[in-house]
Amino acid sequence: QKEVEQNSGPLSVPEGAIASLNCTYSDRGSQSFFWYRQYSGKSPELIMSIYSNGDKEDGRFTAQLNKASQYVSLLIRDSQPSDSATYLCAVKGGSYIPTFGRGTSLIVHP
Amino acid sequence: DAGVIQSPRHEVTEMGQEVTLRCKPISGHNSLFWYRQTMMRGLELLIYFNNNVPIDDSGMPEDRFSAKMPNASFSTLKIQPSEPRDSAVYFCASSGQLRTPGRINTGELFFGEGSRLTVL
Repeated sequence: QKEVEQNSGPLSVPEGAIASLNCTYSDRGSQSFFWYRQYSGKSPELIMSIYSNGDKEDGRFTAQLNKASQYVSLLIRDSQPSDSATYLCAVKGGSYIPTFGRGTSLIVHP
Repeated sequence: DAGVIQSPRHEVTEMGQEVTLRCKPISGHNSLFWYRQTMMRGLELLIYFNNNVPIDDSGMPEDRFSAKMPNASFSTLKIQPSEPRDSAVYFCASSGQLRTPGRINTGELFFGEGSRLTVL
C-alpha cells in the first residue's frame, strides 16, 4: 500500500512569514512529486513539481526533495492571506497514477 | 484553451436514484482519472483510464459504481442505486503524455471543477 502522509494542520502563520509544509511517502520507487493547492470549494491546482533531489524554486515557492529520507516539502516565503488553502502532496512511481496525501490546511493571518 | 469540463456541478438526489456524472478531458490528454473527495477520506482514486481503456478500477467502491470512456473526449461515472454515503465531491482529472527528453508523462493532473453530489 503506497502511502503519502501529511500533517492535517491547520498550520497558522503570520503574514510575511515562511510557511513550511511537509510530506513523507512510503514507496521508495517514487519518481515524481507534486504540490497542489486547493482553495475551499475549488479543485486542486498544480503549483510545483519536483523530480530530483534538492531544491526547486518558483517565485515565492520552493519545493525540497530528499529521496533517501522519503521526504518532500514546500516552503512559501512572504506568506500572504491569499495563500490560505489546503496543500496536497502527490507522489508518482512507475505507474501513471499519483497517490495523494490528505492535505495540510494553511492559514495565513494578517 | 478549455480545461477539464465536468457536469453537473451540483446534484441533489434521493437514495436509490441513478446518478450520472460527466467529464470532458483536455484535448490531447490520454489519461483520465475519477477521484472522490470527502472530509473523512480525502482524495481517493476511483478509476484510471489510459487511451480510453480502464487500467485500474481498484478504487471503485462496489458494483453500484461504473465508469465508461467511449472515446477520447468523454467519460461518465455512474452510481446506481445511489446511497447517502456516496455524498462527496467527484473530480475528473486528465493528464497528457509529455515527450520531454529524459522524462515521459510527468504525471501532472489537471482537475475539473468537480461535481458535488448530495444523496438524501
